[in-house]
Amino acid sequence: EAGVAQSPRYKIIEKRQSVAFWCNPISGHATLYWYQQILGQGPKLLIQFQNNGVVDDSQLPKDRFSAERLKGVDSTLKIQPAKLEDSAVYLCASRPIQRTPNTGELFFGEGSRLTVL
Amino acid sequence: AQKVTQAQTEISVVEKEDVTLDCVYETRDTTYYLFWYKQPPSGELVFLIRRNSFDEQNEISGRYSWNFQKSTSSFNFTITASQVVDSAVYFCALIRGSRLTFGEGTQLTVNP
Repeated sequence: EAGVAQSPRYKIIEKRQSVAFWCNPISGHATLYWYQQILGQGPKLLIQFQNNGVVDDSQLPKDRFSAERLKGVDSTLKIQPAKLEDSAVYLCASRPIQRTPNTGELFFGEGSRLTVL
Repeated sequence: AQKVTQAQTEISVVEKEDVTLDCVYETRDTTYYLFWYKQPPSGELVFLIRRNSFDEQNEISGRYSWNFQKSTSSFNFTITASQVVDSAVYFCALIRGSRLTFGEGTQLTVNP
């Protein structure tokens, strides 16, 4: 079974530029997450989708971050304009729908490492 | 609110030593699930174990074991006879609804 695919693996940009990250979840996984992991910290949830609908985006900085999952499969996370503090690894994760929502583990991609100069 | 605390930022051991990674959590929920994930240098988070709040039995899987104590809100992870390949960052996490909250992680280095 193919895992969660993310691209690009690495990206270096200047502050105020824009960047986009792409995620293709495991086939059949309805729930998709984007996490931000700053160096030396645990991952922090940015946004959660179920199919093509947003379930939780309470921690997404909406003035500069946006995400979409138009067809309920792959997803794009965009940052515009980027700030220095956005330097982090952006992790995508997916999970199949569970009857009891909080029992299932998340499956993570390898992440996209962003450096903002 | 829920919170996960991993007080040990870094641990360094010599191969074959046993090592315990501590995890303390806070939640107001009576039903919850706890997880441990491993993050090797490649960056991918790898699921290790899930434990629900009603099951306080300790679990052993090969060289890994987990001690869940609800009375102290702790979910500690022990690696027996550590190996160099165990070197990674280990995260404890708590799920509420479908939101997974991670601790800050413990960097484990196993030296040959």
